[in-house]
Amino acid sequence: QVQLVQSGAEARKPGASVKLSCTTSGYSFSGYFIHWLRRAPGQGLEWMGWVNPISGGTEYARKFQGRVTMTRDTSISTAYMELRSLTSYDTAVYYCARVYGNSPCDYWGQGTLVTVSS
Amino acid sequence: EIVLTQSPGTLSLSPGLRVSLSCWTSQTVTSTYIAWYQQKPGQAPRLLIYGTSTRATGIPDRFSGSGSGTDFTLTISRLEPEDSAVYFCQQYSRSPFTFGPGTKVEIK
Repeated sequence: QVQLVQSGAEARKPGASVKLSCTTSGYSFSGYFIHWLRRAPGQGLEWMGWVNPISGGTEYARKFQGRVTMTRDTSISTAYMELRSLTSYDTAVYYCARVYGNSPCDYWGQGTLVTVSS
Repeated sequence: EIVLTQSPGTLSLSPGLRVSLSCWTSQTVTSTYIAWYQQKPGQAPRLLIYGTSTRATGIPDRFSGSGSGTDFTLTISRLEPEDSAVYFCQQYSRSPFTFGPGTKVEIK
């Protein structure tokens, strides 16, 4: 069965960085882009960007450009998202999700809580 | 950026009732690129509807979607207790792939 398993909860101080992982199984990793999204407390869902599993190419939401890097390791079917210069506004649950072509997110990871606090 | 608006913000309804949730886009979106998700507390979002009206795998037929242009609707024909959740619409026509703020459905 398709699974996306994310790394565990993280706590950081303002100004720090965090790198999250999303390990996939049950499907061909190269066939689906991995998108990253987040949901802050009391807020809605926010799309952050995607990584192409074949080329490693990326597209980021303008809001995160310069502060986010999405990568992948095809040998272990895992995608990564690093977010830098964290502030309290980055406190959120971060999700990875797979997307086929011009389709919506059909399978999601369980989410990773990132807490940014001094 | 395409902005999505949802209405109402919160609903509290009894089981068995029919409910329609609205989603408006700030620009015309091809119906191919509208999705609806359900999110329960502590869980990841679950894809319900894509392409405006196609149910995702395993989604009960009491969930249906419709709409076109800038006006889209998710209908739950007979509310069940397990439908208590927040429902988000999304456009995936153009980056950034934006979401509406969500409608919270509470079952009495």
